[in-house]
Amino acid sequence: GAGVSQSPSNKVTEKGKDVELRCDPISGHTALYWYRQSLGQGLEFLIYFQGNSAPDKSGLPSDRFSAERTGGSVSTLTIQRTQQEDSAVYLCASSLMPTGSNQPQHFGDGTRLSIL
Amino acid sequence: LAKTTQPISMDSYEGQEVNITCSHNNIATNDYITWYQQFPSQGPRFIIQGYKTKVTNEVASLFIPADRKSSTLSLPRVSLSDTAVYYCLVGGGGSYIPTFGRGTSLIVHP
Repeated sequence: GAGVSQSPSNKVTEKGKDVELRCDPISGHTALYWYRQSLGQGLEFLIYFQGNSAPDKSGLPSDRFSAERTGGSVSTLTIQRTQQEDSAVYLCASSLMPTGSNQPQHFGDGTRLSIL
Repeated sequence: LAKTTQPISMDSYEGQEVNITCSHNNIATNDYITWYQQFPSQGPRFIIQGYKTKVTNEVASLFIPADRKSSTLSLPRVSLSDTAVYYCLVGGGGSYIPTFGRGTSLIVHP
């Protein structure tokens, strides 16, 4: 079946521009995560959506970052007024996450964002 | 949040068994231990998950001692295609914030 899909796969933009990154999770997965991975580094948690609950935004590095998830499915991560330090790979993951259980995350291949 | 510690890198040769240990001293009672594999330009891929004792699947084994303060991913007879970064993740149960470390970069030599 289809896995997690992210678009675009690569994005190059000028400093100061806004960017939108899209994530299509696996159908039926209620939990959705966004991560940032800088070159040679681990995954930095950004935001977590679970069903209809309010998202956990505690990992967002600044108020230039925001995310939404419409209809419990597709999610968009928006970065406003991009800075060079925003250059990284942005990864999305989804999981079946009934409350009280643990389910592994399924990752997309990410969007490589380069800020000139 | 359960913090994890892994070796930064490991080297091995084709056909050998590789064991990667992850320390997680403050693991919570309801936390699971999950290992992921990541190749360049790809997202991490689930390998194996366990709670206690030993878990085995078609690609790896996971050993967890009784105190659960560490875990060991065992890859039998590695090949060149096992060259990747391996992440240990501890967490679980309802809403939680996953904490990935920097992972272990495994290089398999011919």
